[in-house]
Amino acid sequence: ELKVEQNPLFLSMQEGKNYTIYCNYSTTSDRLYWYRQDPGKSLESLFVLLSNGAVKQEGRLMASLDTKARLSTLHITAAVHDLSATYFCAVDPQSGSEKLVFGKGTKLTVNP
Amino acid sequence: EPEVTQTPSHQVTQMGQEVILRCVPISNHLYFYWYRQILGQKVEFLVSFYNNEISEKSEIFDDQFSVERPDGSNFTLKIRSTKLEDSAMYFCASPPPGGDEQFFGPGTRLTVL
Repeated sequence: ELKVEQNPLFLSMQEGKNYTIYCNYSTTSDRLYWYRQDPGKSLESLFVLLSNGAVKQEGRLMASLDTKARLSTLHITAAVHDLSATYFCAVDPQSGSEKLVFGKGTKLTVNP
Repeated sequence: EPEVTQTPSHQVTQMGQEVILRCVPISNHLYFYWYRQILGQKVEFLVSFYNNEISEKSEIFDDQFSVERPDGSNFTLKIRSTKLEDSAMYFCASPPPGGDEQFFGPGTRLTVL
């Protein structure tokens, strides 16, 4: 059974700082997703990573995937308050139905 | 840009009652999913639906749950006899044909009293 672990689960950082969120998963997969969720809202797709070594960037966020290490990272550069949200990684266990297995999420708070 | 829509946005029900949650997926999508998220917790897969039948379901998706696509557009999740622990946000999701992103609907907040 696929397990997806994120760390840290809570992250409080100051504006302007850099930090990385880690997502480890337990079985082979080459499809990994990052989502953002604001309180009481739905899941907003940030990145879809589909191959080993994939790197994608959007604004202050950059995601990467290492399928051999079963690790994805979400790097935050020069954080701003608007990035405060919960970030989830999700992995497709390639069971045929393309369902997603989610991590517990990282609640990010960016302080002025 | 097409969106996945869900109704109602909030449903309050008494324990033991039946509820039906509705989703209107993007029209040309073929795979559909229901997920749930208990408050403050992670998102959990419930069921996937393809070609008018269930393709995979989780352990959570027991006999109290059912899904159907009654009219070719709406995609429904029925809970026959709700329990307190069914209180959660329920999200419908679907990827575009040949695409990789899963688009999530806005969710239905279910509160069981």
